[in-house]
Amino acid sequence: DSGVTQTPKHLITATGQRVTLRCSPRSGDLSVYWYQQSLDQGLQFLIQYYNGEERAKGNILERFSAQQFPDLHSELNLSSLELGDSALYFCASSEDRGLGEQYFGPGTRLTVT
Amino acid sequence: DAKTTQPPSMDCAEGRAANLPCNHSTISGNEYVYWYRQIHSQGPQYIIHGLKNNETNEMASLIITEDRKSSTLILPHATLRDTAVYYCIVRVDHTDKLIFGTGTRLQVFP
Repeated sequence: DSGVTQTPKHLITATGQRVTLRCSPRSGDLSVYWYQQSLDQGLQFLIQYYNGEERAKGNILERFSAQQFPDLHSELNLSSLELGDSALYFCASSEDRGLGEQYFGPGTRLTVT
Repeated sequence: DAKTTQPPSMDCAEGRAANLPCNHSTISGNEYVYWYRQIHSQGPQYIIHGLKNNETNEMASLIITEDRKSSTLILPHATLRDTAVYYCIVRVDHTDKLIFGTGTRLQVFP
């Protein structure tokens, strides 16, 4: 158990819909990262937040957005969903600005039908 | 970003040492080498990292060549539970994200 929690574990929705994935980092960790893992693209970095502010952006689509709240939990919002958005979405956290190890949550499996 | 090259798959007998190689010939002087693994579809798990010197922890050892262009992750006594995809990652120096490649699928057999 990494100490990072993600909800929900599974999510099935239809194309065009919008969903919100939630992540609670380990206690004391200020950085939160989001990654997407699909069969054809592998593990891809999406976005990072540090203490409520966006720190780095990766291959995140404009239809996707994220935020980190004052209590440090983070949400990833996916809108206008397409079949290709079906993937595992992982959240990770680290205690400093990311020079140390990242602890990954169990992931949310999103299926778009 | 420095890129890494790993063999797509390896086999190892249970109880033997598993040596997983990684090439990172374009690594910069201040970039670290990180190893993570992913068991089935679980979240990736941190194993070890290093800059120049060899490192050892309770999970594995990391051997980095003197020119830093390659490294080897060593699992000293592989078990069936070590079957996973192992990712060698060079940490980008000015940002904190991890860039995963395709990794090495390690199969430990009885």
